[in-house]
Amino acid sequence: GQQLNQSPQSMFIQEGEDVSMNCTSSSIFNTWLWYKQEPGEGPVLLIALYKAGELTSNGRLTAQFGITRKDSFLNISASIPSDVGIYFCAGQPGSNYQLIWGAGTKLIIKP
Amino acid sequence: GAGVSQSPSNKVTEKGKDVELRCDPISGHTALYWYRQSLGQGLEFLIYFQGNSAPDKSGLPSDRFSAERTGGSVSTLTIQRTQQEDSAVYLCASSLAGRSSPDTQYFGPGTRLTVL
Repeated sequence: GQQLNQSPQSMFIQEGEDVSMNCTSSSIFNTWLWYKQEPGEGPVLLIALYKAGELTSNGRLTAQFGITRKDSFLNISASIPSDVGIYFCAGQPGSNYQLIWGAGTKLIIKP
Repeated sequence: GAGVSQSPSNKVTEKGKDVELRCDPISGHTALYWYRQSLGQGLEFLIYFQGNSAPDKSGLPSDRFSAERTGGSVSTLTIQRTQQEDSAVYLCASSLAGRSSPDTQYFGPGTRLTVL
């Protein structure tokens, strides 16, 4: 099925570094969502974006809904060990409830 | 309150056997979703239930897959004559909202299915 292009696929960073990941699509989305998944768990919603240009923060996390409505990015500032996991973007095309998912960005923090 | 629960957490089966996966959504949530997550991939939509409406089965990959939701609560995903390519984590999610609003989907921990 249709997927978003999410990059990078994985990141190896030092504790304290900032992290940036993004998703792009050839289709317009009306909603962008960012989820985090830890091993053995289902994804948990981090940030939801509903308007083009919207910039939203949740603690050390900041996400933006691209002006073209075809992209979104997620930044994590001053990473800590508990940030490890897989981060997924998901887009909602139109008013349809279905979500289209990126393949995920695996975040690994080097000791 | 309790979150979304799924059982079993792991299932190993032989090719050709049928399997049933169960999802208990959050009480009061009218919408229920099933997704499949293959290794290293994002989530693939399978089926959606909303209240008493007919389910959206557009994501089911073949007629070997079926799902039902009894009494608007518990859901069972059935895979008949399993194939090795069915091996994946099957995730269930529930939410309060319906078809017209963006809403928060709460996920269960998933069932890891391995077909030998």
